[in-house]
Amino acid sequence: DAGVIQSPRHEVTEMGQEVTLRCKPISGHDYLFWYRQTMMRGLELLIYFNNNVPIDDSGMPEDRFSAKMPNASFSTLKIQPSEPRDSAVYFCASSFGGLTVGYTFGSGTRLTVV
Amino acid sequence: KQEVTQIPAALSVPEGENLVLNCSFTDSAIYNLQWFRQDPGKGLTSLLLIQSSQREQTSGRLNASLDKSSGRSTLYIAASQPGDSATYLCAVRPDTSYDKVIFGPGTSLSVIP
Repeated sequence: DAGVIQSPRHEVTEMGQEVTLRCKPISGHDYLFWYRQTMMRGLELLIYFNNNVPIDDSGMPEDRFSAKMPNASFSTLKIQPSEPRDSAVYFCASSFGGLTVGYTFGSGTRLTVV
Repeated sequence: KQEVTQIPAALSVPEGENLVLNCSFTDSAIYNLQWFRQDPGKGLTSLLLIQSSQREQTSGRLNASLDKSSGRSTLYIAASQPGDSATYLCAVRPDTSYDKVIFGPGTSLSVIP
């Protein structure tokens, strides 16, 4: 298995533009998580899905952020409009069921909003 | 509310030393605890996962222990190498909200050749 795949690896965009981050979880995993990491706040859980259904989006900072999971193999995190304070590394992680299995993280997308 | 702390925030040791990284959590009602490694500019790599019923897990030069009652876990690294330099994070999966893990802030380790 290729692991959790995120794209793009790096994204530089201008303030006000729409940004879409993509994630492909490990096949067979039924949980998908979106995290944001900054120096100031560390790792923050934004939203997670179970069987493609959003379960908890309480970590989504503002209405500018939205996430979808149209099928078991794909999820997107969208920011519209983007702001400089959104600059961070965004990670996607997946897991199976399973309280007995840990998370597998993707390599992340480094977002810079100028 | 579960909180996870890691002390120290940064650690620098000479190559070859054995070292211990600490993770503390405030609520002992956990399902498991996971240790991750993060290299600069990279994602998180899982190192060890300890279930609440276990006391320790070992992988190569790494040994992680768990003491639920005292709310502590340690990651022991034997014979440290420069390649061990990274940030180490622990993550706790609570019993009460078992879908989500809570991450500690991490310990940044530098192993000096």
